[in-house]
Formats: sequence, structure tokens, C-alpha cells
Amino acid sequence: RKEVEQDPGPFNVPEGATVAFNCTYSNSASQSFFWYRQDCRKEPKLLMSVYSSGNEDGRFTAQLNRASQYISLLIRDSKLSDSATYLCVVPKGGSQGNLIFGKGTKLSVKP
Amino acid sequence: DADVTQTPRNRITKTGKRIMLECSQTKGHDRMYWYRQDPGLGLRLIYYSFDVKDINKGEISDGYSVSRQAQAKFSLSLESAIPNQTALYFCAIRGRSTDTQYFGPGTRLTVL
Repeated sequence: RKEVEQDPGPFNVPEGATVAFNCTYSNSASQSFFWYRQDCRKEPKLLMSVYSSGNEDGRFTAQLNRASQYISLLIRDSKLSDSATYLCVVPKGGSQGNLIFGKGTKLSVKP
Repeated sequence: DADVTQTPRNRITKTGKRIMLECSQTKGHDRMYWYRQDPGLGLRLIYYSFDVKDINKGEISDGYSVSRQAQAKFSLSLESAIPNQTALYFCAIRGRSTDTQYFGPGTRLTVL
């Protein structure tokens, strides 16, 4: 299994749709996980942190399944402004605390 | 004001030239990182530093060097630029008590 793996998409959805992205990871010792959002040619920005089974913030829900080693991001009631690339991020392991970034899943929300 | 700034924001240079990319932060975080991003490859770690006297290689350090001039400044140098170093370069910072990294706006470098 790759360190972090995401479906690259693109996911093309209409406004108002619910969309979910999955991410699998290989380091079973990882304790914290992140979803970052990256707009085209911009810097990645933290969207959500996931430390236990899940986290919810408005229309966004992140869930963690440690047994299967995957993380999901659910976006409800999609907005045009949600169009971006979503990066799944996992700690590399070891004492350095470095992160491994997935290649990202591209979302395009259409009117 | 932004927490992390990068200069220049865009740079076009020629093969063989020496290039320095600079990163400054106002958060007082001790951990700083340099990444490059290429289409289809995601973010890859070049170098990282946990304080002024601590410099570590990342997964793709060949062809690059860094300098941590102060806690707030971390520079990335390309001693002799080559075309396959054309990429988007990001600096990131992280506090000691968190795993979260915060990114600068990026430098788009083109090597002809």
C-alpha cells in the first residue's frame, strides 16, 4: 500500500450535491490526520484536522477508520466555491513529525 | 499581514544560474519546511529545520541547499539551476506542540 493514496478525480458535481472523497494510508501508527484545500496555483490551506473517529465543521465531515486505514471527507450542499483540490495528509511516522501529502482529489462544482 | 511570506513570487531563470528563494514568518514557530510541487506528483519535502542549528534533508534534497539565518528566516538555494527544477515551491511552518503546517503563498520558478 502506498503511504497515502487518493482518487485524483476530477469529481464533477452540481451545486447542492453531496460528495465524498476517500484516502488510504499505510502507517498504522498515525494518530492525527488532515485535509487541506488547495486552489489552483495557491498554497494548501488547512481545512480540517482529524484526531479521533471524526470531525465535523459545518458542511464538512471527516471520518477516520483506523481498522481499514482510511480517511474520508464528506461535503454536503456543495457550493461553487468548494471547487478546489483536496489533499489528504498523514504523519510520516517517527520522531520528526513530518507529513506526507496525498496527490489530491480535484473537485469541480458546476451551477 | 500574512504569517508566512515568500520572495520572489515568480522567477524565470536560465540553466546554470544560482537562485535563492526566501521565506520569512511572523509566528515565532521553530519548525520550517521547504517543499516543491509538480503536477501529478503532489508536495515533496526538500529540507526542513527544527531550529537555527538544525537542518535536515527531505526526500528530494539533491541539487538544493538551505540556510536558517534566524528563527524567522529559512532560505532555499539552487546552486546551479536545471530545467527539471521548474516547479512551485512552498515554505511551511509548524509550531512545536502541533502537527499542523501552515504554508506560504509559494514561488513559481521556471528554469529555461
